[in-house]
Amino acid sequence: DVKVTQSSRYLVKRTGEKVFLECVQDMDHENMFWYRQDPGLGLRLIYFSYDVKMKEKGDIPEGYSVSREKKERFSLILESASTNQTSMYLCASSPSPGRGDQETQYFGPGTRLLVL
Amino acid sequence: LAKTTQPISMDSYEGQEVNITCSHNNIATNDYITWYQQFPSQGPRFIIQGYKTKVTNEVASLFIPADRKSSTLSLPRVSLSDTAVYYCLVGVSAASGGYNKLIFGAGTRLAVHP
Repeated sequence: DVKVTQSSRYLVKRTGEKVFLECVQDMDHENMFWYRQDPGLGLRLIYFSYDVKMKEKGDIPEGYSVSREKKERFSLILESASTNQTSMYLCASSPSPGRGDQETQYFGPGTRLLVL
Repeated sequence: LAKTTQPISMDSYEGQEVNITCSHNNIATNDYITWYQQFPSQGPRFIIQGYKTKVTNEVASLFIPADRKSSTLSLPRVSLSDTAVYYCLVGVSAASGGYNKLIFGAGTRLAVHP
């Protein structure tokens, strides 16, 4: 079974703090993703990575950065947390698609972040 | 970009078959259609994926007409535990890396009643 774990289920931080969200997957997947989920907006892609040390901006990267030093670990960093970053953060991983295939993304349980 | 449109919410009763339709008019030749299920306070979970015609697994069926501009997720004999949000996704080919970026919409909130 694919397992994607996130470092915290719940997190409370203050405005201006630097926040690290960690994600680890145990299936040797090449691709990893960070989403945020807000009521009525579905999941929105923040950043993704298709290899170690590689990263690509998603749809809403402003205010976030990421780090992928090892294949199994993908970190999301909020350099200076703001109240509008209060959200549910979801990490996902997927293998690289084969010819004609489309990968399935496997999600972690999520981290609910509250910024005061 | 292939955008999907699906109903915001649906209601059903235990034991009924539920069909959720998703439209994706701009689907590309290489795109697959994937459905995810999400319970409150959990990450989305893969249900089924297909390219054309019909796909069936132990959980659901996926019907895709020849033009591929829509698809229908069919859940046979739903139970209370099927109450969740269901997302229809169409892959978007990324400009680099040889992988597909999936776009999640707002999903369909299914409520199953006793």
